[in-house]
Order: sequence, then C-alpha cells, then structure tokens
Amino acid sequence: KNQVEQSPQSLIILEGKNCTLQCNYTVSPFSNLRWYKQDTGRGPVSLTIMTFSENTKSNGRYTATLDADTKQSSLHITASQLSDSASYICVVRPLSGNTDKLIFGTGTRLQVFP
Amino acid sequence: GAVVSQHPSWVICKSGTSVKIECRSLDFQATTMFWYRQFPKQSLMLMATSNEGSKATYEQGVEKDKFLINHASLTLSTLTVTSAHPEDSSFYICSAREWGNQPQHFGDGTRLSIL
Repeated sequence: KNQVEQSPQSLIILEGKNCTLQCNYTVSPFSNLRWYKQDTGRGPVSLTIMTFSENTKSNGRYTATLDADTKQSSLHITASQLSDSASYICVVRPLSGNTDKLIFGTGTRLQVFP
Repeated sequence: GAVVSQHPSWVICKSGTSVKIECRSLDFQATTMFWYRQFPKQSLMLMATSNEGSKATYEQGVEKDKFLINHASLTLSTLTVTSAHPEDSSFYICSAREWGNQPQHFGDGTRLSIL
C-alpha cells in the first residue's frame, strides 16, 4: 500500500534556529515528491519538487533532500522565522496506477516562538 | 501565475441546508479539478476528480448524491454539499491542473460549519 509517513508530528523551535522534518514513503515508482507549506485555514503551497533522480532542491531558506534508495526525504529550514509556523506536508505522486491520486503525508506541525 | 480561487472561504449554515462551493482557476485553463476534504490535524483526503465536461469520479466511500460536483467550464468547478449535516463540517479544498503532468494548484479552502 502506498504510504507517506512524516515525523515528528509536531515541533516547537525558537526563532532563528534550524530544523529538519522527515518524510518516509513506500510509493514506488513515483513521479515526483513535493513539500508543501500549509498555513492554518489556508490551502497548501508548494515549496519544492523533486523527481526520483534529484537529490536536493532549495527554495530560499528551505532545502529538501531525497534519497530514493532508502525512500526518505527531508526538509531543512534555516534561520527559522515566526512566519514559518505552519504544517509541512510531504506529497508523493505515483508513477503507476492512478497518477492523479497524490499520496499525502499527515504533516508536521511547526511552531516557531520568539 | 497559477492562481486558484475558492469561494466562499467560510460558511456557517443550519442542518439540512445545501451549500455550494466554487473553485476557479484565474489565469489558466484547468482540464482537471480535484476536491479534497481535510479534518483537523489530518491530511487532505481526495473526494473526487472532475474533468471538464465529464462526470466526476468519486473516491470510495464518498457519496456522489451527497457531494455534487459540476465542472462545466475550463475555469470553474463547483461542489454542492446537499442537505448538509453537522458531520459534513470540515475544511474543503479544491485544486486545479492545466493538463497531464502539470502540478495541481490548490485553492485556499472553504471552512464549512453546519449547526
């Protein structure tokens, strides 16, 4: 069964600190893996996208890594800001079967305190 | 670019009322639109996929007579929750895709509260 699991479920850090969020997936083969940021009461916004052949992708203070051998991805946030408080969702698009049905992780809820 | 607008953003209504939610792609034509439901502290769950001019394809367990989807144009899809009850209260999110392998772009969601 295609699954995406994220850890930790929630995380509290102080402003200015770095953090890393984890994503383990069983989806194989897959087309791409995206990290989304979802603010409370808003829709998800794409941060990074990686295909199976890519190892890393950056978007400002966000850096995603991908290890297709171990089926793991991480999202590293550098110099966190209060506005980084949100849920971060790892989403995998399968390459076979219903490729429209994205596989969503349950997300990591990040809270950044001053 | 690739903006998806959802309306209304928040609706409160009495049990038994039918509620319509609109999803519009503002700067692109969406051949496919998706409707998701999200409960608190849970991730998005796909309810149905709709292609312009065709009947929607519903996920297992989603009542098509309860959640009516219309995708009559390349820029508009609507979700109507018929005879809504408190258990239908949730956060409904739509997404739109231009074609094929293009990514899904998400709307900002609609918070539905049924009293």
